[in-house]
Amino acid sequence: GQQLNQSPQSMFIQEGEDVSMNCTSSSIFNTWLWYKQDPGEGPVLLIALYKAGELTSNGRLTAQFGITRKDSFLNISASIPSDVGIYFCARGGADGLTFGKGTHLIIQP
Amino acid sequence: DGGITQSPKYLFRKEGQNVTLSCEQNLNHDAMYWYRQDPGQGLRLIYYSQIVNDFQKGDIAEGYSVSREKKESFPLTVTSAQKNPTAFYLCASSTRSRNARSSYNEQFFGPGTRLTVL
Repeated sequence: GQQLNQSPQSMFIQEGEDVSMNCTSSSIFNTWLWYKQDPGEGPVLLIALYKAGELTSNGRLTAQFGITRKDSFLNISASIPSDVGIYFCARGGADGLTFGKGTHLIIQP
Repeated sequence: DGGITQSPKYLFRKEGQNVTLSCEQNLNHDAMYWYRQDPGQGLRLIYYSQIVNDFQKGDIAEGYSVSREKKESFPLTVTSAQKNPTAFYLCASSTRSRNARSSYNEQFFGPGTRLTVL
């Protein structure tokens, strides 16, 4: 099946720092998605990307759909304590989602 | 309130017993999905259903069964054939895509059920 390689696996940062994470795939995707999961909860969609080269923002979050359609990145600016959680990239499709293994974000005050 | 409910939040079962996890949605969504999450892993698709009385296997369907008799409900049974059933199970729903191959409509997730088999 399709595999998504997400990195880094975890990040330890100071409050106020910017964060960057990315996802790559061996296959071309039509839709890239970024989700956030809080402990013990279901994931919540942050940003959906539908076109190669697309750059989309949601508050302090910015994500881009790579030109090759095989990669995407997510940036978080000026991190705050509530940004803690696990961030997943995913391929979108009507036959269900394919997820990366997640980036665990830990923020030190 | 519109949303997806999963119950119970925590479930304990003895090895060898079948167990059924509940998923209900009142969003009037046609499509529903079941995922499994293991520690340090992303979510993996177990089964999905695009419409009532129809469902398809996902990537890890072995040892699981589902039914879709009503639009609002998509219960998942973890059978004794599932070798490693202890996991966090997440249900999701979405509107139905016109193009089943590549079109994506946002999936909304429930709060999950943590199943522990002793």
